Amino acid sequence: DAGVIQSPRHEVTEMGQEVTLRCKPISGHNSLFWYRQTMMRGLELLIYFNNNVPIDDSGMPEDRFSAKMPNASFSTLKIQPSEPRDSAVYFCASSPEFAEAFFGQGTRLTVV
Amino acid sequence: GDSVTQMEGPVTLSEEAFLTINCTYTATGYPSLFWYVQYPGEGLQLLLKATKADDKGSNKGFEATYRKETTSFHLEKGSVQVSDSAVYFCALAPGSARQLTFGSGTQLTVLP
Repeated sequence: DAGVIQSPRHEVTEMGQEVTLRCKPISGHNSLFWYRQTMMRGLELLIYFNNNVPIDDSGMPEDRFSAKMPNASFSTLKIQPSEPRDSAVYFCASSPEFAEAFFGQGTRLTVV
Repeated sequence: GDSVTQMEGPVTLSEEAFLTINCTYTATGYPSLFWYVQYPGEGLQLLLKATKADDKGSNKGFEATYRKETTSFHLEKGSVQVSDSAVYFCALAPGSARQLTFGSGTQLTVLP
């Protein structure tokens, strides 16, 4: 099993540009999570999907952030427009029914 | 809301020393409790878990016991190795849900 796959691993972009982060969950897992990790705020849950449906997006910081899960094998997190304070490591995780989450290796985003 | 409080780091130990990282939580109901480990440049990996009071999770020589009376889930290892150097995160998931609330993380460095 390849695990949760995130792309890109690193992204550097200029302020104001659109950024799209991608995630392929583990096959058969029905829940998908996006987390953000920063030194100041630690690990924060941004949004949670169950069976491709967004269940809890209360952690999405503002309207500039959006997430989609068009099918069971793919999700995106988009930031438009990006700002320097969005710089962080973004993790995607997936889990099967009633079990713990498996994390991807993360995307390190730098907005300059 | 739910929260997890972890022992402040960083923690530096000599090889073969005893390790304790304290973790306490606040939650309604009966959460599941987890310890995740993050090695440099990587995503989080599940280290161990406990799903009900008095359960002991264990893996790779690490142990933690779910103490409902003290709302704690302290991580212990009898003899640490250099390869245990990483950041350790305590986390909880409410009830049967899978979304995680993380502590701030504790950086562990083990010196030879």
